[in-house]
Amino acid sequence: EPEVTQTPSHQVTQMGQEVILRCVPISNHLYFYWYRQILGQKVEFLVSFYNNEISEKSEIFDDQFSVERPDGSNFTLKIRSTKLEDSAMYFCASSNRGSYNSPLHFGNGTRLTVT
Amino acid sequence: GENVEQHPSTLSVQEGDSAVIKCTYSDSASNYFPWYKQELGKGPQLIIDIRSNVGEKKDQRIAVTLNKTAKHFSLHITETQPEDSAVYFCAPWGVNAGNMLTFGGGTRLMVKP
Repeated sequence: EPEVTQTPSHQVTQMGQEVILRCVPISNHLYFYWYRQILGQKVEFLVSFYNNEISEKSEIFDDQFSVERPDGSNFTLKIRSTKLEDSAMYFCASSNRGSYNSPLHFGNGTRLTVT
Repeated sequence: GENVEQHPSTLSVQEGDSAVIKCTYSDSASNYFPWYKQELGKGPQLIIDIRSNVGEKKDQRIAVTLNKTAKHFSLHITETQPEDSAVYFCAPWGVNAGNMLTFGGGTRLMVKP
């Protein structure tokens, strides 16, 4: 069964550095998402992306965050200047239609540690 | 936005017993009700979902029931097995949410052999 893949599985960075988290969604999917999960807490929506543009974003997704689909297969999340509180698991997800009409398929996440 | 609460936050059962997790939501326009299972070190995976025109749906040992009037839906797992141990999240959705799912706080289920 096709799956969403994320790299790296663990990223350690120093406060103030830029990080790029990478995702390869399922190939025929059209909607892409980033969620994050602070250790032991719930999964929080960051952003959804469709037709090469952001369709929704949460309050968490401030100017430090950006997303890009640089080619036909990758979907990236960039954090420009990381803060300690950005430490979390970041999950990429994709669906072939919007959230109501088809389930989200999640990757196994990237654990980001900001020191 | 949608306020979503899950109860209990942790649940410990003996293998073979049943487990029930309840999810309460606030948006009366919600009409899609999925449950996700998150195993250790993995992303959430959809295990069952229900839409508002249906009151109950069953898939082998798992079932979801919906009470739209009271704005809650529940996950039922019968004959629990150790591999059911995981964190379970509800994520009710309505048209007001666009493509954004709001997850509940999660329920950690532990099945003791």
